[in-house]
Amino acid sequence: KQEVTQIPAALSVPEGENLVLNCSFTDSAIYNLQWFRQDPGKGLTSLLLIQSSQREQTSGRLNASLDKSSGRSTLYIAASQPGDSATYLCAVRVPYNNNDMRFGAGTRLTVKP
Amino acid sequence: SQTIHQWPATLVQPVGSPLSLECTVEGTSNPNLYWYRQAAGRGLQLLFYSVGIGQISSEVPQNLSASRPQDRQFILSSKKLLLSDSGFYLCAWSAGTPNEKLFFGSGTQLSVL
Repeated sequence: KQEVTQIPAALSVPEGENLVLNCSFTDSAIYNLQWFRQDPGKGLTSLLLIQSSQREQTSGRLNASLDKSSGRSTLYIAASQPGDSATYLCAVRVPYNNNDMRFGAGTRLTVKP
Repeated sequence: SQTIHQWPATLVQPVGSPLSLECTVEGTSNPNLYWYRQAAGRGLQLLFYSVGIGQISSEVPQNLSASRPQDRQFILSSKKLLLSDSGFYLCAWSAGTPNEKLFFGSGTQLSVL
């Protein structure tokens, strides 16, 4: 059974700092991994999708990497801003249960001005 | 472009009352549709998914049901709400292949009192 873990549960950094969020999963048999952002009381916004054959994806100040064999992904945020404050969730799409996605519990990020 | 609409945003219902949450997708055809529930501080739990009209799969036994009367409409229902049904409900869609992104609606915060 696929389990997704995100550590730490919460992170607070000063504005301008570069930071890394971690995601680990127990089964390397995945189609892809997706990073989401969630603001309080809102839905999830897709940030980056990495296919299982890819190593990384970049969008603006965000860079996500994937090491499928070790079951790890990182989301790198460069030059953090207060507007980056949100909860970040990762999810993997599994090749069973009709290609369900399994989610981590998220990392709550606070960027202090 | 594709958009997903979910309503209402907030709902307060007494125990034993019925429930109907609606989700519609625009700009695509034959999407896979999902209902998730998010408990505070925990990952998303898949409740139902649908790959086509009238085709519903349930992930967990519960007091809820889902229906897909039209290609781009997904409804979450209950005949009698329980206190334990309180939570944040999210509708999502993806294209039919497992390599595609998952997109979420804005969510419904349900409080059962």
